[in-house]
Amino acid sequence: EDQVTQSPEALRLQEGESSSLNCSYTVSGLRGLFWYRQDPGKGPEFLFTLYSAGEEKEKERLKATLTKKESFLHITAPKPEDSATYLCAVPSSNAGNNRKLIWGLGTSLAVNP
Amino acid sequence: DAGITQSPRHKVTETGTPVTLRCHQTENHRYMYWYRQDPGHGLRLIHYSYGVKDTDKGEVSDGYSVSRSKTEDFLLTLESATSSQTSVYFCAISGGSYEQYFGPGTRLTVT
Repeated sequence: EDQVTQSPEALRLQEGESSSLNCSYTVSGLRGLFWYRQDPGKGPEFLFTLYSAGEEKEKERLKATLTKKESFLHITAPKPEDSATYLCAVPSSNAGNNRKLIWGLGTSLAVNP
Repeated sequence: DAGITQSPRHKVTETGTPVTLRCHQTENHRYMYWYRQDPGHGLRLIHYSYGVKDTDKGEVSDGYSVSRSKTEDFLLTLESATSSQTSVYFCAISGGSYEQYFGPGTRLTVT
């Protein structure tokens, strides 16, 4: 069964304290893994797509990496404005003509000044 | 930002009344989706469309219907609103690749 699990559910950091969020997945034939950021009261905002093990993508203080079983979102020297919920998703094994995504429940990140 | 708008942004309605939410895109993307997001459940797919007049059910479709008569518009109708349908509703679009882009959401309260 297709599944995406994110950990931890919540993370509180001090400004400048680097850490990582985890997204583990079970799906047949990975066709990409997506990271999103969601601010309270807003829709998810697309961050990155990773397609193959060993791939890395960076954006400001965020770096996403991918292995055959999981992805990490590394946050280096975070700032309070990085506080948000981070979601990951993968296409379902039978995405076919519908492009359905399987979503994790997200990690709620709070960065204290 | 992807050109996606949702209307209304907020709505309060009474149990038993029909409600229609609208999603409008300016990207000419083929795929459109309706999700609901609730604490503890994350994003759950209600219905999706893979072309004009081509729609199908998602995992939580009971009590909802959709229509897509034009590429740019995807309507979600709650046939007879219930309190369990109080939620935040998001529309998303997708083009040639799998990533989806989301609208700003509609907060619906059913009293």
